[in-house]
Amino acid sequence: DADVTQTPRNRITKTGKRIMLECSQTKGHDRMYWYRQDPGLGLRLIYYSFDVKDINKGEISDGYSVSRQAQAKFSLSLESAIPNQTALYFCATSDWASGRSLSYNEQFFGPGTRLTVL
Amino acid sequence: AQSVTQPDIHITVSEGASLELRCNYSYGATPYLFWYVQSPGQGLQLLLKYFSGDTLVQGIKGFEAEFKRSQSSFNLRKPSVHWSDAAEYFCAVGNNAGNMLTFGGGTRLMVKP
Repeated sequence: DADVTQTPRNRITKTGKRIMLECSQTKGHDRMYWYRQDPGLGLRLIYYSFDVKDINKGEISDGYSVSRQAQAKFSLSLESAIPNQTALYFCATSDWASGRSLSYNEQFFGPGTRLTVL
Repeated sequence: AQSVTQPDIHITVSEGASLELRCNYSYGATPYLFWYVQSPGQGLQLLLKYFSGDTLVQGIKGFEAEFKRSQSSFNLRKPSVHWSDAAEYFCAVGNNAGNMLTFGGGTRLMVKP
């Protein structure tokens, strides 16, 4: 089984609808992240969480919210979807590691959710 | 603020030919640098990483990358490309706080038979 799973894998919705994307991990990592990928722009960070009580905004958090339900679960919500939120969304996890250790900053990615907002 | 530039959006090489994908970064301190590969319909897989020590790092699938501080570059290389290497490749820089990876725009590699 995959270490980082995302549901759904594909979703088509309409403008104004509320959408939730879910991420679960079995890696035992404390840190979880949500990114969106747009052609030519790479991946951009939406939100990240270093533990259940810690939620932080990333580069492009407007229009999104998150919930860290447990160490292993991190959900991304679009309260009122709009067409320019059409993108590929990735969840990632990382382990805590001291700075300068080999695993510092290393993130593991889920398979992605393709979201289309009409 | 940190940033990453991948100057080549698309690259096409013949199978068996050598490959070099360019990556330039901007970061004020010693960077944590990564190369990821994304095959069609898949998530990102880590190819290799650098944070200190030997500036030439070896990764999976026969890839290597060289960190050149003077040029702010971290180019990815492979001596002989296989058809299965066709994918999109992303360079990323991590900050010292360990809370953010900044990705380049990606380079899509196509391999000709």
